Amino acid sequence: DVKVTQSSRYLVKRTGEKVFLECVQDMDHENMFWYRQDPGLGLRLIYFSYDVKMKEKGDIPEGYSVSREKKERFSLILESASTNQTSMYLCASSEEFDNEQFFGPGTRLTVL
Amino acid sequence: QQQVKQSPQSLIVQKGGISIINCAYENTAFDYFPWYQQFPGKGPALLIAIRPDVSEKKEGRFTISFNKSAKQFSLHIMDSQPGDSATYFCAANYGGATNKLIFGTGTLLAVQP
Repeated sequence: DVKVTQSSRYLVKRTGEKVFLECVQDMDHENMFWYRQDPGLGLRLIYFSYDVKMKEKGDIPEGYSVSREKKERFSLILESASTNQTSMYLCASSEEFDNEQFFGPGTRLTVL
Repeated sequence: QQQVKQSPQSLIVQKGGISIINCAYENTAFDYFPWYQQFPGKGPALLIAIRPDVSEKKEGRFTISFNKSAKQFSLHIMDSQPGDSATYFCAANYGGATNKLIFGTGTLLAVQP
């Protein structure tokens, strides 16, 4: 079974802090994705990566950056957390030419 | 053109009834239409998917109906069960190596016993 793990299930941070969300997948997938999920807005793509050290902006990249130094690991970085970044963050991965995305359990981030 | 519009936002169905969730899109370049199911505390998981070359796909109690000319697709859950209570997301994708998905806003389904 494909497994996508996220470093924390719940996280509470202060405004202005630098926040790291980590995601690891164990199926040697080329593609990895970061989404945020908000009620009434669905899943919105923040960034994705189709190879090590490669990244592309999604629909809402402002205030976020990413890092992919190893194929299995994709990190989402909030350089200076703000209250409007309070959300559920979901990581996903997929094979290069396969449409199915496999999701992690999510990290619920609260920024106070 | 990049949006996928999903309705209703929430749905209450009696056990044994039919649940129907609808989605509409504008971009005719989309070539893959999945439905994801998400239980509380879990990430979404692929439920069923369809490509535009067929009008219907059925897997057990779950059916996707696809209307290419109307640019609409829907999920039908037959004989709905309390265990089907979850949030359902439609999505669309126009292929390529990166396989980006564009998601609808989600439907919270509650199946009452």
